[in-house]
Amino acid sequence: AQTVTQSQPEMSVQEAETVTLSCTYDTSESDYYLFWYKQPPSRQMILVIRQEAYKQQNATENRFSVNFQKAAKSFSLKISDSQLGDAAMYFCATPRGGATNKLIFGTGTLLAVQP
Amino acid sequence: EAEVAQSPRYKITEKSQAVAFWCDPISGHATLYWYRQILGQGPELLVQFQDESVVDDSQLPKDRFSAERLKGVDSTLKIQPAELGDSAMYLCASSLSLANNSPLHFGNGTRLTVT
Repeated sequence: AQTVTQSQPEMSVQEAETVTLSCTYDTSESDYYLFWYKQPPSRQMILVIRQEAYKQQNATENRFSVNFQKAAKSFSLKISDSQLGDAAMYFCATPRGGATNKLIFGTGTLLAVQP
Repeated sequence: EAEVAQSPRYKITEKSQAVAFWCDPISGHATLYWYRQILGQGPELLVQFQDESVVDDSQLPKDRFSAERLKGVDSTLKIQPAELGDSAMYLCASSLSLANNSPLHFGNGTRLTVT
């Protein structure tokens, strides 16, 4: 069964600095997707970035990038030039299996950004 | 930008009472999801619809929970009777399709407190 593990319950970063959030997963699928979602205090979950497992190139979206290590089943999120608005809970997720789009989420990492 | 609408935003109810949540997905999104998020944890899928049909309700406690999407548009999630352990955030999400690369768009959620 697919599992997603986020081992950092909380992280803190200074404004303008870089922070990396960790995620490991387990899946029996040969091709799959990985996602990072952000949940700010207003509670609406927002997609930050996604990675297709068959693509070796790491995904990048502006200040957000991933370090995808397929063999190690690791999918970390790097936030560069951190801003106060980046403060939120971050969830790593992957579909459960098959073409069903049923996401399994990790337990989340609460990111604080210090001014 | 179109959003997933949910109501109410907050609900307090006594145990053994009935409670209902409503969700209106983004127009044109065929797939609708109800997730439950217990404080400090990641969301867990309760039920998934494709148009008006249930795709997966294996994690829905069917003795007390019910969900419907009669016309394949908006959806209602009901709990009867509510129990203390049902206190959580109930998130609705929608996506264009079941494809695993179809991003989920979440609503703001309904925070349920059962007393």
